[in-house]
Amino acid sequence: QVLLVQSGAEVKKPGASVKVSCKASGYTFTGYYIHWVRQAPGQGFEWLGWINPNSGVTNYAQKFQGRVTMTRDTSINTAYMELSSLRSDDTAIYYCGRVYVGWGIELWGQGTLVTVSS
Amino acid sequence: QSVLTQSSSASASLGSSVKLTCTLSSVHTSYIIAWHQQQPGKAPRYLLKLQASGTYYKGSGVPDRFSGSSSGADRYLTISNLQSEDEADYYCETWDNHNRVFGGGTKLTVL
Repeated sequence: QVLLVQSGAEVKKPGASVKVSCKASGYTFTGYYIHWVRQAPGQGFEWLGWINPNSGVTNYAQKFQGRVTMTRDTSINTAYMELSSLRSDDTAIYYCGRVYVGWGIELWGQGTLVTVSS
Repeated sequence: QSVLTQSSSASASLGSSVKLTCTLSSVHTSYIIAWHQQQPGKAPRYLLKLQASGTYYKGSGVPDRFSGSSSGADRYLTISNLQSEDEADYYCETWDNHNRVFGGGTKLTVL
């Protein structure tokens, strides 16, 4: 079964960092980009960036440059998104998604709730 | 001007059809989009990819009731024979080589 399975919910204090994982199964991990998107409570979607699992090349949204780091471990078919210097407005559900070049996000992870609170 | 504009809400009766619209900004009228469905409390689900020509490619397992069409800057999602489980938020997505953006979403109520 083709799946993206994300790590569990996190609660962090302001200023801390969070690292969310996204494990792929059922397809060739290196054949598709992994994108990260977040959704604040009751809001729409905000794109954070992507990683090419084959090369490790990344591209981050300008808003998150310097605060987000995307990595991958091809030995375990897993992508990671780390967001640093957390603020309360980073509270959101973070989703990973699979993208083939020239396509939209056609496979979504189940989401990871990150709560930032003192 | 936002890249993607959607109406905030729509409603239609059980068993009827509804056509949702996603409008691209004037400099993005040729762009491809994708439609996603998000049922309450769930992760989004990819529905289809839609080209400016009106050609669309549905995701695996997406019912035949869902279809796409295009006219100029507008990209449509038509849902036929509405079911109760179609009550959800619907988002459009577009992209270029560097960025990816989403519309604000349309909340569909099935009456």
